[in-house]
Amino acid sequence: KQEVTQIPAALSVPEGENLVLNCSFTDSAIYNLQWFRQDPGKGLTSLLLIQSSQREQTSGRLNASLDKSSGRSTLYIAASQPGDSATYLCASYHKAAGNKLTFGGGTRVLVKP
Amino acid sequence: EAGVAQSPRYKIIEKRQSVAFWCNPISGHATLYWYQQILGQGPKLLIQFQNNGVVDDSQLPKDRFSAERLKGVDSTLKIQPAKLEDSAVYLCASAFRDMSPTEAFFGQGTRLTVV
Repeated sequence: KQEVTQIPAALSVPEGENLVLNCSFTDSAIYNLQWFRQDPGKGLTSLLLIQSSQREQTSGRLNASLDKSSGRSTLYIAASQPGDSATYLCASYHKAAGNKLTFGGGTRVLVKP
Repeated sequence: EAGVAQSPRYKIIEKRQSVAFWCNPISGHATLYWYQQILGQGPKLLIQFQNNGVVDDSQLPKDRFSAERLKGVDSTLKIQPAKLEDSAVYLCASAFRDMSPTEAFFGQGTRLTVV
């Protein structure tokens, strides 16, 4: 059974500092890994999706890496802004399990002006 | 392209009452997921459909929760009777299976409060 863990559960940084969010998973036989953002009271917005054959994906200030052998993914947010304050969730896909999508507990980020 | 639609957005009910949530996935998406997200936690999969067949419902409390997917398109999730611990956000997502990469798209969710 796949378990996805995100540490820390909460993170507070001053504006301008780079953010590093960690995601670990127990079963390396994943299909894809997806990072989401969730604002309070809202649904999930997809940020980046990394295929199992890729090592990283980039979109603007966001960069996500994937290391299947160690069971880790990292989301980097450069030059953080107060608008980046949200909860960030990672989720892994298991093709063998019918494309089951398993989430971590999330990291709640606060960027202070 | 229209996104995943969910209704209602909010619902408040008393314990032991019944409630139903509706989800309309993105057109052409064969995979549909229902998740339960308790405050401060990550989403937990309740049930996954592939077209109108169930792929995984291992974490669905079947004594009180039920779900169906009509003609492989819209889906409803029902709770009967509700308990206080069912208070959560219920998220629906859809994905186009066999597309690589398989990316899930989520609706805005339904926030359920059981009092």
